[in-house]
Amino acid sequence: ELKVEQNPLFLSMQEGKNYTIYCNYSTTSDRLYWYRQDPGKSLESLFVLLSNGAVKQEGRLMASLDTKARLSTLHITAAVHDLSATYFCAVDLGSQGNLIFGKGTKLSVKP
Amino acid sequence: SAVISQKPSRDICQRGTSLTIQCQVDSQVTMMFWYRQQPGQSLTLIATANQGSEATYESGFVIDKFPISRPNLTFSTLTVSNMSPEDSSIYLCSVGTGEGYTFGSGTRLTVV
Repeated sequence: ELKVEQNPLFLSMQEGKNYTIYCNYSTTSDRLYWYRQDPGKSLESLFVLLSNGAVKQEGRLMASLDTKARLSTLHITAAVHDLSATYFCAVDLGSQGNLIFGKGTKLSVKP
Repeated sequence: SAVISQKPSRDICQRGTSLTIQCQVDSQVTMMFWYRQQPGQSLTLIATANQGSEATYESGFVIDKFPISRPNLTFSTLTVSNMSPEDSSIYLCSVGTGEGYTFGSGTRLTVV
């Protein structure tokens, strides 16, 4: 059974600080996704990582994928309050489109 | 990427009744996916809906409780049947879009 483990599950940061969210998964997959969810809202796609060594950056967020270690990271640089949300990683099991989600990391950025 | 229109956005329903959720996509897609997000939890796949065939349900989900229709390549419905308070969740549809997956805006269901 595929397991996707995110940590931390809760993260309280001060503005301007850096932090990394980790996503470990238990089986082979070359496709990993990061989503953002604001309270009461749907999921917004942040990053699509499709190969080993993939690194993508958008603003203060950078995501990477190491398929050999079965690990993805979401790095936050100089956090701002607008980044407060829940972040999910999801692993794609293949052509059937069955995404297995981590439990999510609830990020709170305080002034 | 595809744009999904999902409705209703929210509903409050009496136990024992049923609710049908609709998703309309602005392009033709082979597969549509239905997820459930229980309060404070992550997303769990309910079923995959292919046009012209019966939906494929994940472990723990059955057709009698969550019947799905897929009449064409741009539309699908999920019905939550004989509802109980435990069915209170956000239900989301999703489609593949080349590199990734797009989600509908979600239906927040409260069963009282």
